[in-house]
Amino acid sequence: GQNIDQPTEMTATEGAIVQINCTYQTSGFNGLFWYQQHAGEAPTFLSYNVLDGLEEKGRFSSFLSRSKGYSYLLLKELQMKDSASYLCAVTGGFKTIFGAGTRLFVKA
Amino acid sequence: SAVISQKPSRDICQRGTSLTIQCQVDSQVTMMFWYRQQPGQSLTLIATANQGSEATYESGFVIDKFPISRPNLTFSTLTVSNMSPEDSSIYLCSARTEKAEGYGYTFGSGTRLTVV
Repeated sequence: GQNIDQPTEMTATEGAIVQINCTYQTSGFNGLFWYQQHAGEAPTFLSYNVLDGLEEKGRFSSFLSRSKGYSYLLLKELQMKDSASYLCAVTGGFKTIFGAGTRLFVKA
Repeated sequence: SAVISQKPSRDICQRGTSLTIQCQVDSQVTMMFWYRQQPGQSLTLIATANQGSEATYESGFVIDKFPISRPNLTFSTLTVSNMSPEDSSIYLCSARTEKAEGYGYTFGSGTRLTVV
């Protein structure tokens, strides 16, 4: 079967670093996406990994290990506006499967 | 990345009626996708809309309940038919576009549907 697991909720402090993990089991793999979704809004693209390793984009980094079926999203220098849900999504063929999302709460 | 205009942004509908949601993309895309997102949950794919052929529905979703049109490469509609309160959800259209990194998805702003 196809499955994507992420923690349901996480809490972190403003200015800190947080790592959101994602493990997946899918029938195919063409790439892994991370999306950010604020409450009541549509998801917005954060990152894309197709090869193993770390992709860095400013305060956000994403890591992929295809052999382990594992990814993480690293958020540095957390800001209050980073409070949102973070969705891990895996694409195989023409379909993309979304994880249930991790709700991140950033506190002062 | 591409821009998708989705409307209506929200609606409150009576049970038994139907609502058609429209999505317009600012560039031609081969495939468009319709998702449902229930409160506090992630996105569930309803169907993939291909231009020139019938939509492909996921398990648990049928054409009679969610008819889809795809008349050209920039436009699609999803109708939620014979609505019941269980259909209350956010509906999102999406397209994969070469304009996005990793040929990723761009989403419309969503339609928040409440059925009373």
